[in-house]
Amino acid sequence: EDQVTQSPEALRLQEGESSSLNCSYTVSGLRGLFWYRQDPGKGPEFLFTLYSAGEEKEKERLKATLTKKESFLHITAPKPEDSATYLCAVQARGTSYGKLTFGQGTILTVHP
Amino acid sequence: NAGVTQTPKFRVLKTGQSMTLLCAQDMNHEYMYWYRQDPGMGLRLIHYSVGEGTTAKGEVPDGYNVSRLKKQNFLLGLESAAPSQTSVYFCASSYRGFEAFFGQGTRLTVV
Repeated sequence: EDQVTQSPEALRLQEGESSSLNCSYTVSGLRGLFWYRQDPGKGPEFLFTLYSAGEEKEKERLKATLTKKESFLHITAPKPEDSATYLCAVQARGTSYGKLTFGQGTILTVHP
Repeated sequence: NAGVTQTPKFRVLKTGQSMTLLCAQDMNHEYMYWYRQDPGMGLRLIHYSVGEGTTAKGEVPDGYNVSRLKKQNFLLGLESAAPSQTSVYFCASSYRGFEAFFGQGTRLTVV
């Protein structure tokens, strides 16, 4: 059974204080690992897809990396507008219909 | 370009009542999904569709039915609502199982 565990559950940062979120996964052959951002009362917003160990993707202050067992979402010099819940999800190879297995998310709060 | 649109956004039902949630996407995606999101449980797949006229069960299908009569629409039905179905429901679509794009959600309360 595919599993995704995110840590920490909640993270409070001061503006400008860089940090990382962790996503550990077990999957029967990884097709893709996805990061989403979710604001309160909104649907998940797609950020990145990573396909193979060693791959990295960047968008503004966010950088996602992937190893064979985990992914990190690095946040550099965060701003209050980066406050949100960050969700990690995996898709197994051989899943013909694109099912995503999600972690429970990390709630990020950035204080000014 | 609206993406994925869900209606309604909020709904309160009494136990035993029925309702239909509507999802519409304008990205010409083949695949569509219904997820539910509950505190401490993450997002879980209810039903999915890989094309017009096809539907299949996900992880938590009991108590729900779906239909995909048109490519752009995916309907989720609750025949007899139960308090355990109180949740936030998200529709999503993807191009052949790649990145999924989500709607804004429907917050359903069953009393």
